[in-house]
Amino acid sequence: DGGITQSPKYLFRKEGQNVTLSCEQNLNHDAMYWYRQDPGQGLRLIYYSQIVNDFQKGDIAEGYSVSREKKESFPLTVTSAQKNPTAFYLCASSLQGRVYGYTFGSGTRLTVV
Amino acid sequence: ILNVEQSPQSLHVQEGDSTNFTCSFPSSNFYALHWYRWETAKSPEALFVMTLNGDEKKKGRISATLNTKEGYSYLYIKGSQPEDSATYLCAYVRSWGKLQFGAGTQVVVTP
Repeated sequence: DGGITQSPKYLFRKEGQNVTLSCEQNLNHDAMYWYRQDPGQGLRLIYYSQIVNDFQKGDIAEGYSVSREKKESFPLTVTSAQKNPTAFYLCASSLQGRVYGYTFGSGTRLTVV
Repeated sequence: ILNVEQSPQSLHVQEGDSTNFTCSFPSSNFYALHWYRWETAKSPEALFVMTLNGDEKKKGRISATLNTKEGYSYLYIKGSQPEDSATYLCAYVRSWGKLQFGAGTQVVVTP
């Protein structure tokens, strides 16, 4: 079955470390997205990519970086510059066009220790 | 950043009862509105993508309406069942690739 796989499910990071969250999809979707969830808030857009080798900053891109070298993969790196990285991270993908909903992964919970 | 408001924040429903809740969004330059259902320990699941004023969508016992002129959408659950317990998210499409999510309405259906 097609879908999106995020790994790991739980991740612990020491302060000052960079960590990379994996997101892989086999839906043949062109577009991929990263969102962050904090308690009591809506999902907030970190980065998105419409095609391979191209990506755009979302609303809260500071302290994060991404790459899109393959259509299937859109990894997110949380750098030491991100001041408050503890959160739940969701990856999503979609076809191009406004009539298409997003398919989400199951998320990664990142905790800074 | 534009505000997307969902109300109520949470609601408790008896099994068999019907319920509805609201998503408010900016009424200018409307592009599209998404609804998602997010069950605990699962991924958010797309319910509807609504693009036209007056749109009505239905999926089983769940339906949604859209009023782009006044900037609101209603989600209805008819004859609630325990499996309808979830957080329902709406998301306003600000421009391509940029969804603005509300904080969600948490629905708890008790037998």
